[in-house]
Amino acid sequence: GAVVSQHPSWVICKSGTSVKIECRSLDFQATTMFWYRQFPKQSLMLMATSNEGSKATYEQGVEKDKFLINHASLTLSTLTVTSAHPEDSSFYICSARSSIGSDNQPQHFGDGTRLSIL
Amino acid sequence: GNSVTQMEGPVTLSEEAFLTINCTYTATGYPSLFWYVQYPGEGLQLLLKATKADDKGSNKGFEATYRKETTSFHLEKGSVQVSDSAVYFCALSTNGNNRLAFGKGNQVVVIP
Repeated sequence: GAVVSQHPSWVICKSGTSVKIECRSLDFQATTMFWYRQFPKQSLMLMATSNEGSKATYEQGVEKDKFLINHASLTLSTLTVTSAHPEDSSFYICSARSSIGSDNQPQHFGDGTRLSIL
Repeated sequence: GNSVTQMEGPVTLSEEAFLTINCTYTATGYPSLFWYVQYPGEGLQLLLKATKADDKGSNKGFEATYRKETTSFHLEKGSVQVSDSAVYFCALSTNGNNRLAFGKGNQVVVIP
C-alpha cells in the first residue's frame, strides 16, 4: 500500500518550454502533497507544500510564478515548470501523506522526475 | 528550528560487515524520526520510523532506536548485502508540522 506514482520519470526539452510533472497517490487519499528538488549528491530541498483545494505554500526563495502547483483532487498534484531554462535542470520528487491518522503520518515518495533542459 | 545531522562522507564496507550510520537531531516539541533509503535514479522509500522515545524502528534487518537523552536515531544493520548500496537519509517531523527536515544523506557502498 501507500504507492505514489510520478510521471514522467525523465524529461528532456528545449529552453523556454513549460514542463508538467504529475504526482498521484494510487491507493490512498492525500490531503497534502509535497514537492522537493534534489541536486546531485545533495539532500532534498522542500519547494512547496500542496494542499487539496487551496493554494500551495512555497518555501522561501522558490518562485511561485516559475513553479506552478495545482492540487485539484485528493489523489493528484501537478508541478509545472514554466519557461524552463538550463538552471532548472534537476531531480524533482513529490511525496504524499495520507489524510487518515495523526499529523505524523509518514510521507510516501514518488520515484522522481529527472528534468534536463537543453 | 528543526535540523538533522548525519555523519560526514560516504560509507564503504564489505558484504556481511556491520553498518552504522549516525544521526542526531535538534527539534522543538516531540518529533517523529524516520530513515529513508534512495536507490540510484529513484525516489525515497521509507525504511523505518519511530514516533516516541525508546521506540525501535526495524525493517529489512535495519534497526534504529529513538534516543531522547542523546537526541539520536542511529541506523544499524548487522550484516549488509550488496543490494543495500544506496543513499540513506535521516529525517524528522514534529507534531502538527507537515515539514520533513532531512539530513544530508550518506552514500553506502557495499563491496562483494
